[in-house]
Amino acid sequence: LAKTTQPISMDSYEGQEVNITCSHNNIATNDYITWYQQFPSQGPRFIIQGYKTKVKNEVASLFIPADRKSSTLSLPRVSLSDTAVYYCLVAIGGYNKLIFGAGTRLAVHP
Amino acid sequence: DAGVIQSPRHEVTEMGQEVTLRCKPISGHNSLFWYRQTMMRGLELLIYFNNNVPIDDSGMPEDRFSAKMPNASFSTLKIQPSEPRDSAVYFCASSDRRRVNTGELFFGEGSRLTVL
Repeated sequence: LAKTTQPISMDSYEGQEVNITCSHNNIATNDYITWYQQFPSQGPRFIIQGYKTKVKNEVASLFIPADRKSSTLSLPRVSLSDTAVYYCLVAIGGYNKLIFGAGTRLAVHP
Repeated sequence: DAGVIQSPRHEVTEMGQEVTLRCKPISGHNSLFWYRQTMMRGLELLIYFNNNVPIDDSGMPEDRFSAKMPNASFSTLKIQPSEPRDSAVYFCASSDRRRVNTGELFFGEGSRLTVL
């Protein structure tokens, strides 16, 4: 299974753009990159997933370089409500086992 | 549209008692996952089902834990006997055939278990 590495914690201020980078050096051809967000006392919530290049939705953008060995989740103009833990995962193609790492604890300050 | 429904939301029990956690997946989803979350160990995958059949239970900590999925709309996770170290938040998640391959799961709100 592809192992992911991401920073343990990050701090930001309201209105700033936040970029969280995750490395997944052992990613395989059929694997997808997926990001989740978790607020205290709630279950993880799917944010975005991608295979290559750039993906964007109403919540975030995901940048994946050509070698796919890393990915960057970009949160535009964060607010206090974006304070959460963000998990990067690699979904093994055709194999339904999703393993969560420690995640990145993002704290947004006023 | 109802999401994944878990019950109970909170359970406090004494060591040695049997605990049963319940999950109703989203209608139409054919994959179901049980996770456990603690401060020390983070989110751990316990077991997952495809079409009501257990596919991988390698994450189940020991024989005291068992999970069943008698039909497509219901699953249980049972701990018997419970121990204080089982205290955690237990999450159930479900997905459909297309989304599960790209890692998109839908999580419930969790069941917080405290074993005294």
